[in-house]
Amino acid sequence: AQSVTQLDSQVPVFEEAPVELRCNYSSSVSVYLFWYVQYPNQGLQLLLKYLSGSTLVKGINGFEAEFNKSQTSFHLRKPSVHISDTAEYFCAVPNQAGTALIFGKGTTLSVSS
Amino acid sequence: DAGVIQSPRHEVTEMGQEVTLRCKPISGHNSLFWYRQTMMRGLELLIYFNNNVPIDDSGMPEDRFSAKMPNASFSTLKIQPSEPRDSAVYFCASSFEDPGTGNTIYFGEGSWLTVV
Repeated sequence: AQSVTQLDSQVPVFEEAPVELRCNYSSSVSVYLFWYVQYPNQGLQLLLKYLSGSTLVKGINGFEAEFNKSQTSFHLRKPSVHISDTAEYFCAVPNQAGTALIFGKGTTLSVSS
Repeated sequence: DAGVIQSPRHEVTEMGQEVTLRCKPISGHNSLFWYRQTMMRGLELLIYFNNNVPIDDSGMPEDRFSAKMPNASFSTLKIQPSEPRDSAVYFCASSFEDPGTGNTIYFGEGSWLTVV
């Protein structure tokens, strides 16, 4: 069965510090992986996605993620965060039928000065 | 290009009342999704339409919930009668093709429902 597990529910960091948000997946079919961001009182928007090819995927706002098949992980990273990165981040994988996305529980990133 | 448009953005209603949430997907998209977000359960898929046809409604919580897609540019999610436990954010989303082929799902801003 398809599933994703986000290992941290909350990650507090200081501005300009690096951050890593962790995601592990389980998939019995071809792996496509997604990271979405939800700013307060808004909908979800795509940060980046892994389809195939290079295991390092670059997204918007300076975020990147690395697909690691042996560790079944797709961790999201940013070398230097800003206050404006404060948001909820969701990892997602297609369901077994490939018809919709299954989302993790989310990680709240709180950036303070 | 307009994104997914949802209405109303906020709704406060009394228990027992009917609630209708509306969605206009992105033009040209043939897949439409209704998700519900709560603190306890996170993001849950309620129903999925493909080419206006409901394909998977296994996530609809009970008979009080119903969804329709009469044409490619409009969908509704109805709750009748509403209960306090239905309080949540309801998201409509659309995609050009299924995400199982790597396609991106685009979300609306959400409808924030409070049932008192």
